[in-house]
Amino acid sequence: EAQVTQNPRYLITVTGKKLTVTCSQNMNHEYMSWYRQDPGLGLRQIYYSMNVEVTDKGDVPEGYKVSRKEKRNFPLILESPSPNQTSLYFCASGLRDGFGDEQFFGPGTRLTVL
Amino acid sequence: GDSVTQMEGPVTLSEEAFLTINCTYTATGYPSLFWYVQYPGEGLQLLLKATKADDKGSNKGFEATYRKETTSFHLEKGSVQVSDSAVYFCALGGSQGNLIFGKGTKLSVKP
Repeated sequence: EAQVTQNPRYLITVTGKKLTVTCSQNMNHEYMSWYRQDPGLGLRQIYYSMNVEVTDKGDVPEGYKVSRKEKRNFPLILESPSPNQTSLYFCASGLRDGFGDEQFFGPGTRLTVL
Repeated sequence: GDSVTQMEGPVTLSEEAFLTINCTYTATGYPSLFWYVQYPGEGLQLLLKATKADDKGSNKGFEATYRKETTSFHLEKGSVQVSDSAVYFCALGGSQGNLIFGKGTKLSVKP
């Protein structure tokens, strides 16, 4: 089954404790991205990657890191989480045909930073 | 920069009512346009899309037409069901392959 998986689905942590949210897709997509969803703000892009070893900042990259060592995986790293990073996070992947194409979303990771 | 504006919610309708959720966009060029739906507790799913002017996307009884002259992509459904209760996001395809989303419109359908 074609899908994007994220782990963990729920996470409660404390300020400053490094964490990683994994994302994996089995559709051989070049493009992968992380979004955060906050009430009243919709979805905002954190980082994206157009291919292996190519990553770039989205609209709200501060406090986050990513890596793309393999095509299928795109982990999101919070080196020192803070309460303002409490949010619902979505990973997405898609083909890239120049001006946007369908993206497939993971089920989301709800992160709470105390 | 590119942006999407969609009507504020929440929207509450009775079953079988007509639905319109307005969406307008600002963009350079001619981006693809999308409607995504998020059911409670789930991720986003593509509902429909249109890739060029005058295209009509349709799926599950929902429709939206890409109107270049009014820079709009309004979502419509003739007869909503309780199972349509969800949050609906309008989005456009950015030049970097990203999606630029509106803030979402929550729809509640009452039996």
